[in-house]
Amino acid sequence: NAGVTQTPKFQVLKTGQSMTLQCAQDMNHEYMSWYRQDPGMGLRLIHYSVGAGITDQGEVPNGYNVSRSTTEDFPLRLLSAAPSQTSVYFCASSYSWGDNTEAFFGQGTRLTVV
Amino acid sequence: DQQVKQNSPSLSVQEGRISILNCDYTNSMFDYFLWYKKYPAEGPTFLISISSIKDKNEDGRFTVFLNKSAKHLSLHIVPSQPGDSAVYFCAAINRQLTFGSGTQLTVLP
Repeated sequence: NAGVTQTPKFQVLKTGQSMTLQCAQDMNHEYMSWYRQDPGMGLRLIHYSVGAGITDQGEVPNGYNVSRSTTEDFPLRLLSAAPSQTSVYFCASSYSWGDNTEAFFGQGTRLTVV
Repeated sequence: DQQVKQNSPSLSVQEGRISILNCDYTNSMFDYFLWYKKYPAEGPTFLISISSIKDKNEDGRFTVFLNKSAKHLSLHIVPSQPGDSAVYFCAAINRQLTFGSGTQLTVLP
């Protein structure tokens, strides 16, 4: 049982480049989300999805796109990378949303934009 | 404006003693509060949670206390062990999971 799998683990981009961070879960969870972790800021919610075909914005959505075509996958797209998007990105999934259900996190993607 | 605040970036404790990590929040609509633990190069993992209608929840060495009137919660670890050294995030739920900035706990042998 792999849980939540994120790829790649590390990435360096040049300003203006685009890329997709992959996230897959094998727990049949309906709820998936993307966070970024910055020093002194904790984890901030970028986008989330409560099921296939349904996505919504979190606290810091600008510069990112998401889609949810299957229950298992929730990719995060950077449209035109900027140095301010240098961060560690975590994908999470949970059985339900908005209650006490534990969220499971991937190992993270460390992104550097130069 | 951070709705969940952890004002201590770091805490050092001797092995065997109690570790107390603190968290304050501003949103009275939060339904649940959770603590996550994070080791370097890994994702956060769930540790313990408490409902807003409770004031204490205990799980082995870990106890979370909630003081709703003060909008304050704390995580107690007794006894602390070197393997507890990690970053601890306080989080709260009101439709979404909102995290604090984290506290680095170091347990000294």
